[in-house]
Amino acid sequence: DAGVTQSPTHLIKTRGQQVTLRCSPKSGHDTVSWYQQALGQGPQFIFQYYEEEERQRGNFPDRFSGHQYPNYSSELNVNALLLGDSALYLCASSSVRGRAQPQHFGDGTRLSIL
Amino acid sequence: QQQVKQSPQSLIVQKGGISIINCAYENTAFDYFPWYQQFPGKGPALLIAIRPDVSEKKEGRFTISFNKSAKQFSLHIMDSQPGDSATYFCAAGISGTYKYIFGTGTRLKVLA
Repeated sequence: DAGVTQSPTHLIKTRGQQVTLRCSPKSGHDTVSWYQQALGQGPQFIFQYYEEEERQRGNFPDRFSGHQYPNYSSELNVNALLLGDSALYLCASSSVRGRAQPQHFGDGTRLSIL
Repeated sequence: QQQVKQSPQSLIVQKGGISIINCAYENTAFDYFPWYQQFPGKGPALLIAIRPDVSEKKEGRFTISFNKSAKQFSLHIMDSQPGDSATYFCAAGISGTYKYIFGTGTRLKVLA
């Protein structure tokens, strides 16, 4: 049973570019949340998708956007990249139906901005 | 009010010793408190979680103690092993939201 999978593993971009990160949730999960983890810090909630809609959002600018597909997979898009966007981006999945907290995390995408 | 404060920032423990990590929260709406373990290059993995209706939960060598009135909770790792060396995060959430607020993490090193 595959857990949460994220791609790519690593990514290098330059300032001003745009990036798309991808996530496949754990089998049976229907909710996907995205977190940003700066070096030496705890993960910070970006937003969450359920039923292909953004349900909740943290304190992130609208340069950060996302999408969820009918198969529950999700994308995180970041436009106009800044140096401060360099971080590990984590995807977490859960199931609304089973009131299944906890969330399960993937191993993340390491994004470096030059 | 959304913060979760975690201490210490780093911890060194001898093999076989007890590791204790503390967290405090302010938002009384939080009703779910998980602990995650993270190894370098990996995502956080759930260790153990507790809800405020119990004061303690134990799973193997890991125990969460919860003090609702003080709005504090802690993780105890008994008989700490070198393989426990990792970064530990406490978190808090509200049931049904799946939005967690994480602490800043504790880097644990267990000496052989």
